[in-house]
Amino acid sequence: DADVTQTPRNRITKTGKRIMLECSQTKGHDRMYWYRQDPGLGLRLIYYSFDVKDINKGEISDGYSVSRQAQAKFSLSLESAIPNQTALYFCATSGENAEAFFGQGTRLTVV
Amino acid sequence: ELKVEQNPLFLSMQEGKNYTIYCNYSTTSDRLYWYRQDPGKSLESLFVLLSNGAVKQEGRLMASLDTKARLSTLHITAAVHDLSATYFCAVESTNAGKSTFGDGTTLTVKP
Repeated sequence: DADVTQTPRNRITKTGKRIMLECSQTKGHDRMYWYRQDPGLGLRLIYYSFDVKDINKGEISDGYSVSRQAQAKFSLSLESAIPNQTALYFCATSGENAEAFFGQGTRLTVV
Repeated sequence: ELKVEQNPLFLSMQEGKNYTIYCNYSTTSDRLYWYRQDPGKSLESLFVLLSNGAVKQEGRLMASLDTKARLSTLHITAAVHDLSATYFCAVESTNAGKSTFGDGTTLTVKP
């Protein structure tokens, strides 16, 4: 089983719809992250969480919200999806002073 | 705000040749990570560099970190086709616990 599991893997949704992307990890790490990747660009941080009670905005949090349901679960919501949120979304987890482990990504298309 | 610049962004090499990818960053940091991403896939960790002068090697890849120059390099020795991928550096701001990614270097190794 993968260390970091994202669901769904692919999703097409309509403008204005609410959508939730889910992430769970089995690494036992406290830190979890949501990133967005657009073609030709690096990863941009949307939200990050250092533990269940600690959630922080990243560089591009507008239009997104998150929920840390447990140490192992971190979900990302788009309250009202818009076409420019079409992207590849990655969830990741890491320990302190250590590399991140990434999920397989969710390809989201907003039409 | 931490900025991370990679160059080149695109690199086409012949098998057997050597080349270096550069990662410059704008603020104090002593934690730098290199990741590899194959097309349509997730990111996997290559190297974790946690101190000035750190050097790590794995196969044909060697990464180094110079925190005084705010520079990391990823050196490729005798490139082979299997190294074709996009390589990202990610810099963690001191005490921030989160990383900023460069835009990636897409490497194509040709026979």
